[in-house]
Amino acid sequence: AQTVTQSQPEMSVQEAETVTLSCTYDTSENNYYLFWYKQPPSRQMILVIRQEAYKQQNATENRFSVNFQKAAKSFSLKISDSQLGDTAMYFCAFMKRTSYDKVIFGPGTSLSVIP
Amino acid sequence: DAGVTQSPTHLIKTRGQQVTLRCSPKSGHDTVSWYQQALGQGPQFIFQYYEEEERQRGNFPDRFSGHQFPNYSSELNVNALLLGDSALYLCASSGTLQETQYFGPGTRLLVL
Repeated sequence: AQTVTQSQPEMSVQEAETVTLSCTYDTSENNYYLFWYKQPPSRQMILVIRQEAYKQQNATENRFSVNFQKAAKSFSLKISDSQLGDTAMYFCAFMKRTSYDKVIFGPGTSLSVIP
Repeated sequence: DAGVTQSPTHLIKTRGQQVTLRCSPKSGHDTVSWYQQALGQGPQFIFQYYEEEERQRGNFPDRFSGHQFPNYSSELNVNALLLGDSALYLCASSGTLQETQYFGPGTRLLVL
């Protein structure tokens, strides 16, 4: 069974600074996807970034980038130039790269961006 | 392009009652998954529907059932509600390639 761990229940960062959220996972699969989802107080779960395990290049989406270490089973999210709108719960998630599989979520990290 | 929609947004029920939650997938998506998110926790997979059939199921009792219609929309039914069923229920849709699931805004269920 796959598991996803986020060891930082809460984090804070000053506006315009950079913050890194940690995630580790456990799987025996070789082909899979990893995701970071953001859930603001409005509760809409929003996809931030996706990484395919077979790609060595780290994914980047504007101010968001990941550090994917497949051998270490580590998948951290870096947020640059933090903005007040980045305040939210961030969930790291795993999905096997097979047809019709479920997403397995970590417990989440609550990020507060301080003005 | 409409995203995933869910109704109702909030619902209050009493123990023992039954509830039906509804979801319309993102345009072009044919697969719907349902998740339960307890307060302060990550979402937990309930089940997934494709071609009007339940394809996968998580560790939830038979009180949780669902349905998918020919237009790909879906319902989640919960019978004999317990206090512990109070949660945010999220619907997610995905397309044929199944690469990414997109979530709706959720239905907040409170069982009293």
